[in-house]
Amino acid sequence: QVHLVESGGALVKPGGSLRLSCAASGFSFSDYHMTWMRQAPGKGLEWISYIPNSGAFKYYADSVKGRFTISRDNVQTSLDLQMNSLRVEDTAVYYCARGGGFDAMDVWGQGTTVTVSS
Amino acid sequence: QSVLTQSPSASGTPGQRVTISCSGSRSNIGVNYVCWYQQLPGTAPKLLISRNDQRPSGVPDRFSGSKSGTSASLAISGLRSEDEADYYCAAWDDNLRGLAFGGGTKLTVL
Repeated sequence: QVHLVESGGALVKPGGSLRLSCAASGFSFSDYHMTWMRQAPGKGLEWISYIPNSGAFKYYADSVKGRFTISRDNVQTSLDLQMNSLRVEDTAVYYCARGGGFDAMDVWGQGTTVTVSS
Repeated sequence: QSVLTQSPSASGTPGQRVTISCSGSRSNIGVNYVCWYQQLPGTAPKLLISRNDQRPSGVPDRFSGSKSGTSASLAISGLRSEDEADYYCAAWDDNLRGLAFGGGTKLTVL
């Protein structure tokens, strides 16, 4: 069965760092593009970052560019999001999803919560 | 504000047909596929429609998508109480080099 499981969410102070991980199973991870999304409390979905299956290119929303870094390990079948210089407005549930870019995200994880607060 | 524009709310009674619209521009909906996602309360989003009008396996045929020019629509026929959810449209934006989302439409089944 296809599964995505996020981890690493925590309470962190403004200016701090956090690394999220997404463990993939049940499909050929190296064949799929992957995406990070987030949803602030009571708000809509926001696209954060996208990485093609090869990992050759990386795309970021302006809101996180220069602070967040997406990466993937096709051997370990995992997707990561390194988040630096965190701000209060980064508080959200973070989802990893299979697919993205020009095509649909057809599998989503359950999400991991990041809270940025002093 | 969101790159794609959706009405914040929609409503209907059981059995009715409801349409949710999504307006974009030539750099997103005008040239790229539109997807629709359903988010039930307290759960992760779920893909409802891909490539403008394609239903993934398991999505009831009560849900249908269409696209014309720089706009797209999601239609739900035979409305049911379990359809009460937030619905989001999305399309890649060539100018932004990123995925554009609508702000979401909250569907209430009266």
